[in-house]
Amino acid sequence: GEDVEQSLFLSVREGDSSVINCTYTDSSSTYLYWYKQEPGAGLQLLTYIFSNMDMKQDQRLTVLLNKKDKHLSLRIADTQTGDSAIYFCAERAPSGSARQLTFGSGTQLTVLP
Amino acid sequence: GAVVSQHPSRVICKSGTSVKIECRSLDFQATTMFWYRQFPKQSLMLMATSNEGSKATYEQGVEKDKFLINHASLTLSTLTVTSAHPEDSSFYICSARDLTGADTIYFGEGSWLTVV
Repeated sequence: GEDVEQSLFLSVREGDSSVINCTYTDSSSTYLYWYKQEPGAGLQLLTYIFSNMDMKQDQRLTVLLNKKDKHLSLRIADTQTGDSAIYFCAERAPSGSARQLTFGSGTQLTVLP
Repeated sequence: GAVVSQHPSRVICKSGTSVKIECRSLDFQATTMFWYRQFPKQSLMLMATSNEGSKATYEQGVEKDKFLINHASLTLSTLTVTSAHPEDSSFYICSARDLTGADTIYFGEGSWLTVV
């Protein structure tokens, strides 16, 4: 079945760049999303990329998509302590599919002072 | 941007009672909403897909008589946990599909349920 995988933990120093990686298996994915979850809170949509794009930049966030390798990454420039959270990637099935979003396990980002 | 609101954010109920959680799309109409459950330090588990004006579609292993879902309007879906037990204690999150623009799915803030 469809699968989305992420590494569980990432630690970076404040001011450095963070790169969170995600791999998925469904080649028919339409959109790929990055969500942020702070402790005890819901999911906040950070950014998304359509499957026919290979890069999207939004302020400090850069999303790279390698569709051939089914690899998605989120780069956070100048990482701040407020960026510490769990980051989920999710892939979206085509419209009409019974399945909507498939989530990765989440990557816990810890920003060290 | 689009916002999805959940209420209550935290609720404590006694074993055997029922509790209702609301999910509202505040500035868009959502024909489809989703209910997830999240255990500590784990990813989201899809419980059911809620379709406006029709019955919800439940994922395998989710008891539809225990987790009642109603999607009576284009901006509101409710999840009722009936005859709650301590093992139902969890973080419940809803999401709503915004078909305008990029057809994005937005999440609510989540609701912590504690059954004592």
